[in-house]
Amino acid sequence: QQQVKQSPQSLIVQKGGISIINCAYENTAFDYFPWYQQFPGKGPALLIAIRPDVSEKKEGRFTISFNKSAKQFSLHIMDSQPGDSATYFCAASMTAGNQFYFGTGTSLTVIP
Amino acid sequence: GAGVSQSPSNKVTEKGKDVELRCDPISGHTALYWYRQSLGQGLEFLIYFQGNSAPDKSGLPSDRFSAERTGGSVSTLTIQRTQQEDSAVYLCASSFTGNYGYTFGSGTRLTVV
Repeated sequence: QQQVKQSPQSLIVQKGGISIINCAYENTAFDYFPWYQQFPGKGPALLIAIRPDVSEKKEGRFTISFNKSAKQFSLHIMDSQPGDSATYFCAASMTAGNQFYFGTGTSLTVIP
Repeated sequence: GAGVSQSPSNKVTEKGKDVELRCDPISGHTALYWYRQSLGQGLEFLIYFQGNSAPDKSGLPSDRFSAERTGGSVSTLTIQRTQQEDSAVYLCASSFTGNYGYTFGSGTRLTVV
């Protein structure tokens, strides 16, 4: 059973455009929601994370929007660049837990 | 080292053989995790070590899988009698406090033929 559902599976965006990736979860005990970026042949790297006490977090061109009532969160990449082309994973965890629950990933391609 | 180191980076093995995958976590990180990444499946939790506590083995898919962590540092994931469905990238991660701020290694790509 997939604890975190991610969409779309793949995304193609023009350079300078906005990339949006969405995730949904069911377990209300989750209290930490990170996004990871993975390049081919490399392990995932933490990009940005949010806790449910805020609705938005911004770091540079990357923003997480969080909707606690809908149990959804999304990653927005502003002014997308070809170097952003990678696979993005959302995840969720709980303070008392021992693992992250990952989405199935979104392959982002930014066209020059 | 500066990051999480995994070896080998690639491993091709014959069905039925045993394999050992190694993980060197970041020095000082007390928490260590193994995940499996299969195409289109995201990352699947396998096992978690925290300090000297008993490991959380709840994610191991069968009794052919086992892992140990010696001296609170290096970890080895062992897969016995490998099957083709074991083919995947095996990722190791470590962190200071557990469950936040993971740093992943580059993984071991295992191919069972």
